[in-house]
Amino acid sequence: DIVMTQSPLSLPVTPGEPASISCRSSQSVFHGTGYESLNWYVQKPGQSPQLLIYLGSNRASGVPDRFSGSGSVTDFTLKISRVEAEDVGVYYCMQSLETPITFGQGTRLEIK
Amino acid sequence: EVQLVESGGGLVQPGGSLRLSCETSGFTFSSYWMHWVRQAPGKGLEWVAIIEQNGNGKYYVDSVKGRFTISRDNAKSSLSLQMSSLRAEDTAVYYCARGPGWYPELWGQGTLVTVSS
Repeated sequence: DIVMTQSPLSLPVTPGEPASISCRSSQSVFHGTGYESLNWYVQKPGQSPQLLIYLGSNRASGVPDRFSGSGSVTDFTLKISRVEAEDVGVYYCMQSLETPITFGQGTRLEIK
Repeated sequence: EVQLVESGGGLVQPGGSLRLSCETSGFTFSSYWMHWVRQAPGKGLEWVAIIEQNGNGKYYVDSVKGRFTISRDNAKSSLSLQMSSLRAEDTAVYYCARGPGWYPELWGQGTLVTVSS
């Protein structure tokens, strides 16, 4: 199974400041047809998860452009250019290259 | 409006069975891979199973293989998860989610399954 490891697990951020979450996979998640099978989700308090970034760097519909995804092979990053209060929640990376599909442990973003 | 509504959760004894359903609307159900993902209380997300558009391809996490069966009815735009030989560690909120591919794009609100005597 592909193991996904996120860091940090807790991320206190001042509003207006940037934030960054790292995700590493135990093996490459590059798909042979030319994309990274790495996705990012956020689960806000009391809500279902929502897709933020799919296939490495594509923002999902309705996601603000202050969210960006980057990286390749085994090392990926989710960046928030300026954190807002509404960004509080748990952020997960997930690989969709092969089954079992696997998630990272989650990173809890909180507002200072 | 796209909707995914899970139902069928509840309290079940260890060793028992339960069938979860996910009723969908607002999109062409038969065009999408569909997932079940679960979340134990206070824990992270765990992918459970996925089913291909025509219902032929099915894949499971090892911990549920042989106990859970994912199925779909494209005529009714519905997804199911038949769970048997339930264990305490299966206690979780179960979400159904829509593809487009092997990554879930849209999620339902979840249904809670509690396995306890």
